[in-house]
Order: sequence, then structure tokens, then C-alpha cells
Amino acid sequence: NAGVTQTPKFQVLKTGQSMTLQCAQDMNHEYMSWYRQDPGMGLRLIHYSVGAGITDQGEVPNGYNVSRSTTEDFPLRLLSAAPSQTSVYFCASSYSYRGSYEQYFGPGTRLTVT
Amino acid sequence: KQEVTQIPAALSVPEGENLVLNCSFTDSAIYNLQWFRQDPGKGLTSLLLIQSSQREQTSGRLNASLDKSSGRSTLYIAASQPGDSATYLCAVRQEEYGNKLVFGAGTILRVKS
Repeated sequence: NAGVTQTPKFQVLKTGQSMTLQCAQDMNHEYMSWYRQDPGMGLRLIHYSVGAGITDQGEVPNGYNVSRSTTEDFPLRLLSAAPSQTSVYFCASSYSYRGSYEQYFGPGTRLTVT
Repeated sequence: KQEVTQIPAALSVPEGENLVLNCSFTDSAIYNLQWFRQDPGKGLTSLLLIQSSQREQTSGRLNASLDKSSGRSTLYIAASQPGDSATYLCAVRQEEYGNKLVFGAGTILRVKS
């Protein structure tokens, strides 16, 4: 299994541009999430999905959209990039095994918005 | 609102020392607690997961304990090695936001050879 994969690894955008961060997992996990990591702040939840066709907002959803058309894929869209969205973005997936919900993370995408 | 704090923020030890990393959380109504390792510029690697009904978990030189009632967890690393140098993150799982993890800011560990 490849686990959780993310593309691209690095991206530079100009303010106002849009783009999609890709995330895929091959473990048949029902739960998928997007987090952003900023220095000194830990990781914060952006959006999450509990299954194909079901998505919901996390703590910091503004400026981001998601969709979940398949179990495997969970792309994150930046509609109009802003410098405040400069961050490292992590996708995670998890499954319910006796209530454990252990989360597995992708390698991250480093995004810079100028 | 759940808050997770990790102490110390940074730690430097000589190779071979045993060490303890601390994690505290304000709301004891958690489902589990997970310890992660993050190498510079890399993603998160899960080290140990402790269910709320458990007291500890062990994996090799790592031992994590959980005292849910007092809102504390510790990660014990025995016989530290330079390869253990990384940032260690703890996170608690909350039912809110469907399987959300609330993270601490991490402890940066440096093991000197």
C-alpha cells in the first residue's frame, strides 16, 4: 500500500490564484481530513469527510472547498489564494477499528502565497 | 474548548539518556490520544495510540502513558539515539467535527552523539 499520498509537494501561488491540492489513500479508509500546520500552532482541521459524498467543515474552513466523490480521493481547493494561506497542508485518513480511529498522514504540501 | 499543551517546547539530551515528554489536555472527555513523530520537512508518523480506557502502550523503546482523569500523557523514550531527533506531537481525539484530532504544538527533541 502507498498509504496517503499528496501532490504537489511544493507550490508557489500569487494572491488571487486558485489551485487544488490532491490527496489519495489506498487503504479503503472511510474518514479523511485536511489539516494545516503553522509554526508554533500545531495542526488545525480545515475540512473532513466521513465517507464518499459527505463532507463538513472543521475549525478553519474559510477560503477552502472540498469534495469526496470516491472513497480514495479528497482534494482541497483554494478558491482565491491569500498570503494567510501560506502553510504546510496535511491530508489524513483513518478507519474505525474497535473505535480506535488511528490517523495516517500524508507527506504534506508546502504552499507559499506571495 | 479542548487545548493541548506540550512541555518542554524543546529538549536537548546526550545519547543514551532516558527522557520523558509531557502532554496535557484540558477536557478529559477524549476517545483516545495519539503520539506522532515529525521529521523536518516531512509528514507525521504515528508512534503510539492509547484508547481512553487504557493506561499505557509500548512499542520498542517507547512507552506512552495516559491519565485521563488528570488530563495528562507522557511519552517515555529509553536509551535515546541521535536518530530519535525529531518533533514529537501529541493529539487527542474528540467526537466534535467527526474524528477531529486536537494537536499540541510539539516538543523538538535533539539527541546529541
